[in-house]
Amino acid sequence: GQNIDQPTEMTATEGAIVQINCTYQTSGFNGLFWYQQHAGEAPTFLSYNVLDGLEEKGRFSSFLSRSKGYSYLLLKELQMKDSASYLCAVREENQGGKLIFGQGTELSVKP
Amino acid sequence: DVKVTQSSRYLVKRTGEKVFLECVQDMDHENMFWYRQDPGLGLRLIYFSYDVKMKEKGDIPEGYSVSREKKERFSLILESASTNQTSMYLCASSLGGSTEAFFGQGTRLTVV
Repeated sequence: GQNIDQPTEMTATEGAIVQINCTYQTSGFNGLFWYQQHAGEAPTFLSYNVLDGLEEKGRFSSFLSRSKGYSYLLLKELQMKDSASYLCAVREENQGGKLIFGQGTELSVKP
Repeated sequence: DVKVTQSSRYLVKRTGEKVFLECVQDMDHENMFWYRQDPGLGLRLIYFSYDVKMKEKGDIPEGYSVSREKKERFSLILESASTNQTSMYLCASSLGGSTEAFFGQGTRLTVV
């Protein structure tokens, strides 16, 4: 079976750093994605990890440890517009690559 | 820009009706997905397709079927709509392998 866990809600202050964790158990692993979703909008791609380590992209970084089934998304210099839901998704290692999402973490950035 | 287009933004249907949700992508992607999104439950995979006429069940396929006759189009069919199928439906597409999925704007379906 598969299981992807993220915290339901987080709150952080503008200008601060926040780390959103994701743990997963899947029948096969072929990469982990992070998406951002603002209320009423479609999810948009943020980052992708398939090998262990840190991927940095501007204010956003994502880390993966395959042996621990663990990833995090790090958001630096938080802005009010970063208030959104952050979705962790795992691509399974089968034909076509099924993409399974966690329930998402609702991040509120306060002044 | 990749474009994934869902046929309707809002839809209201009656219980027992057969409902078709259409999704078209313009980037020649092999993979296409249908999800539903409900508060507190996140995105749950209904069906996905990795090639024309090929499909695999996701986590919640009951009450749904799909059709992929052409590479660019992936249809979700509610055989007999029920009130518990009231939800936001999201379509996505991707190339194979490690590439990200692109999402349509979603269809908010209400079954009354």
